[in-house]
Amino acid sequence: GAGVSQSPSNKVTEKGKDVELRCDPISGHTALYWYRQSLGQGLEFLIYFQGNSAPDKSGLPSDRFSAERTGGSVSTLTIQRTQQEDSAVYLCASSLKGGTEQPQHFGDGTRLSIL
Amino acid sequence: QKEVEQDPGPLSVPEGAIVSLNCTYSNSAFQYFMWYRQYSRKGPELLMYTYSSGNKEDGRFTAQVDKSSKYISLFIRDSQPSDSATYLCAMATTSGTYKYIFGTGTRLKVLA
Repeated sequence: GAGVSQSPSNKVTEKGKDVELRCDPISGHTALYWYRQSLGQGLEFLIYFQGNSAPDKSGLPSDRFSAERTGGSVSTLTIQRTQQEDSAVYLCASSLKGGTEQPQHFGDGTRLSIL
Repeated sequence: QKEVEQDPGPLSVPEGAIVSLNCTYSNSAFQYFMWYRQYSRKGPELLMYTYSSGNKEDGRFTAQVDKSSKYISLFIRDSQPSDSATYLCAMATTSGTYKYIFGTGTRLKVLA
């Protein structure tokens, strides 16, 4: 597809379960970002991948959150032992290369609900 | 105080009106200024991307940056019901960094 693709679009799970969210960036984009959008809050940066460089994980809220990017393309965000406060929309974005001179393009997100 | 402040609205205007959406910020190092439009249950869609001060126009949309006042605006001319959405401003410091700092968004309703 032409845009950033995220799956699943919706995920409902019980507290304490692990979840995996997937992001497929725009073809050719080397930079990939994860953000979290909570009700009434702005987008909160989580993690950044650029090519083969070590990711910037400074935005991850706890050690229950992790992410990887395989082959410089698809990324997976994993949340272990989910808590109710993890309920949010998780958005993925990609850009042609890292750095703010290249605009970020977003997918439609995964809406995560923790019961 | 948040780095980026944005009135959450909702802002309701009649069709055809000129809409003004605004953000203020506190970090004078911001050099990149973006506006995104987000429809319900969709991801943010990039509308405008500007560097430093000045104006940028794209169709019915005009973005203005006033760095001296730490204030940015998005104007929508001849507003349409299809413009009803949440508008997010985002900002970033100079090249080499990557984190966008977002406002919380302004909900806009254009009434037919």
